[in-house]
Amino acid sequence: KQEVTQIPAALSVPEGENLVLNCSFTDSAIYNLQWFRQDPGKGLTSLLLIQSSQREQTSGRLNASLDKSSGRSTLYIAASQPGDSATYLCAVNAGNNRKLIWGLGTSLAVNP
Amino acid sequence: SAVISQKPSRDICQRGTSLTIQCQVDSQVTMMFWYRQQPGQSLTLIATANQGSEATYESGFVIDKFPISRPNLTFSTLTVSNMSPEDSSIYLCSAQNPPGNEQFFGPGTRLTVL
Repeated sequence: KQEVTQIPAALSVPEGENLVLNCSFTDSAIYNLQWFRQDPGKGLTSLLLIQSSQREQTSGRLNASLDKSSGRSTLYIAASQPGDSATYLCAVNAGNNRKLIWGLGTSLAVNP
Repeated sequence: SAVISQKPSRDICQRGTSLTIQCQVDSQVTMMFWYRQQPGQSLTLIATANQGSEATYESGFVIDKFPISRPNLTFSTLTVSNMSPEDSSIYLCSAQNPPGNEQFFGPGTRLTVL
């Protein structure tokens, strides 16, 4: 059974720092992996989608990597800003029904 | 990408009543889903909304409690029936086109049941 774990559960950093959020999954037979951002009480914003054949995807200050063999993905945020404060969720698309399996998220606070 | 809107954005309801949440996508999509996110938790899939047929429910969710409609490729509704305080959650609609590709979410409906 696929399980997704995100570490750390919470992170607080000063503005300007580069940081890494981690996502691990137990079954490497995935179709793709998606990173989302969720602001308090709001819906989810898709940040990056990495297909199983890809190693990384970049969007602005965000870079997501995927290592299927080790069951890991990282989300790298460069030069963090207070506006990056949110919960970041990782979801794996796996199995015949292609449903998303979710991690519990990393709550990020970037302090001015 | 798909832009998804939901109505209402929030509501406060009395125990025993029902609420219908609407989800509108700005383009035709293959797959639409309904999720629940309880306070402090991650997302739980309620069901896949199938166009023109009955929704496919996940374990622990039943049609009598969460009836779903999907009359076309851009619209779906979720009804939360006979509500209790335990139904207080954020309900999220999502779309995916085609299956397995990037999934997009609506802004969510924050439901409080008194």
